[in-house]
Amino acid sequence: DAGITQSPRHKVTETGTPVTLRCHQTENHRYMYWYRQDPGHGLRLIHYSYGVKDTDKGEVSDGYSVSRSKTEDFLLTLESATSSQTSVYFCATRQGLYTEAFFGQGTRLTVV
Amino acid sequence: KQEVTQIPAALSVPEGENLVLNCSFTDSAIYNLQWFRQDPGKGLTSLLLIQSSQREQTSGRLNASLDKSSGRSTLYIAASQPGDSATYLCAVGLLNAGGTSYGKLTFGQGTILTVHP
Repeated sequence: DAGITQSPRHKVTETGTPVTLRCHQTENHRYMYWYRQDPGHGLRLIHYSYGVKDTDKGEVSDGYSVSRSKTEDFLLTLESATSSQTSVYFCATRQGLYTEAFFGQGTRLTVV
Repeated sequence: KQEVTQIPAALSVPEGENLVLNCSFTDSAIYNLQWFRQDPGKGLTSLLLIQSSQREQTSGRLNASLDKSSGRSTLYIAASQPGDSATYLCAVGLLNAGGTSYGKLTFGQGTILTVHP
């Protein structure tokens, strides 16, 4: 599954603290994505990247930023975590626009 | 805005039954559709990818069809087994005015499948 590793797998943090989630892939895929999954909302796109240092906003990007300094790593940062950002976060990658998308195992984030 | 709907929301069947999961989408300007499986507490596992020019794809006991003009896809599971119990998600990749949307996917809410022995 494209060798996608998300870290940490679980995290509990306090409101107002910064949090960074990491997605690491070993397949040299060009495109990378961050989604969040919430009951009643399904999976929604937060940010995506179409190359090193090339990123753009998705559907629910407020309160999040991303960085991609290397092909293999895509970081998602919550600048000041809020309880509404409690969710399961998934990273996905694909080689090309029309190819299969692969997902990581997810990071369960709880903001208290 | 593309909306993806999956029906039914939940399905419980006895082992051995053939079943169909449905996915509909509102905007037919898609470049592909992908079916995933998600086990509780796990990530998404890709099952089948159908390009917009294709009518169906098969993998083992799974067959997915696509009717882009009517905005529908179905996932057919033959001879269901308890190990097939999971949530099944469909996701569409929408073409924008420029001809692509960087591979972004819009997901349905999923169908929770339970296959009992």
